[in-house]
Amino acid sequence: DAGVIQSPRHEVTEMGQEVTLRCKPISGHNSLFWYRQTMMRGLELLIYFNNNVPIDDSGMPEDRFSAKMPNASFSTLKIQPSEPRDSAVYFCASSFVLPPLHFGNGTRLTVT
Amino acid sequence: ELKVEQNPLFLSMQEGKNYTIYCNYSTTSDRLYWYRQDPGKSLESLFVLLSNGAVKQEGRLMASLDTKARLSTLHITAAVHDLSATYFCAVDMGKGGSEKLVFGKGTKLTVNP
Repeated sequence: DAGVIQSPRHEVTEMGQEVTLRCKPISGHNSLFWYRQTMMRGLELLIYFNNNVPIDDSGMPEDRFSAKMPNASFSTLKIQPSEPRDSAVYFCASSFVLPPLHFGNGTRLTVT
Repeated sequence: ELKVEQNPLFLSMQEGKNYTIYCNYSTTSDRLYWYRQDPGKSLESLFVLLSNGAVKQEGRLMASLDTKARLSTLHITAAVHDLSATYFCAVDMGKGGSEKLVFGKGTKLTVNP
């Protein structure tokens, strides 16, 4: 299995621009998670889906963030407009029924 | 709100020595996970602890869970340089099926020759 695939690996953008991060979970997994990692705050859960349905988005920082999972093999996390404080590594992870979660390689986002 | 605290946050040790990393959490949970992260890399699952008294071992690492004390430990035996990484514990907040994990801040381990 190829594992959880995220794209892009690196993204550099200017403040105010829209950013879209993409994730392909492991085939057969029914839960998908978006985490954000920063030095100051560590790993924070932003949102998770079960069977393509958003279950808990309480970690989404504000309305500028949105996430979708149109089918079992694809999810997006969008930031619009982006701000410098959004700079972080964003991880997507998937699991089947129960953890452990299988993490992708992350997208390193830099907003200047 | 579930809080997960690890200590120490930074650990520098010599090869061949033993040490323990602690993970405390603030609310009832029977499921705890340990992950390893190398610099600039993803998180790799190390151990899954699913009940009180669970103990898992892999090589020089051994993890245990005491749900009554809300404490998990990750014990390192005779450390080697390859164990240098950041180690995270994560606690499952949910009941039943796949649920969200709350992570500790991580323990950055450096093993010196």
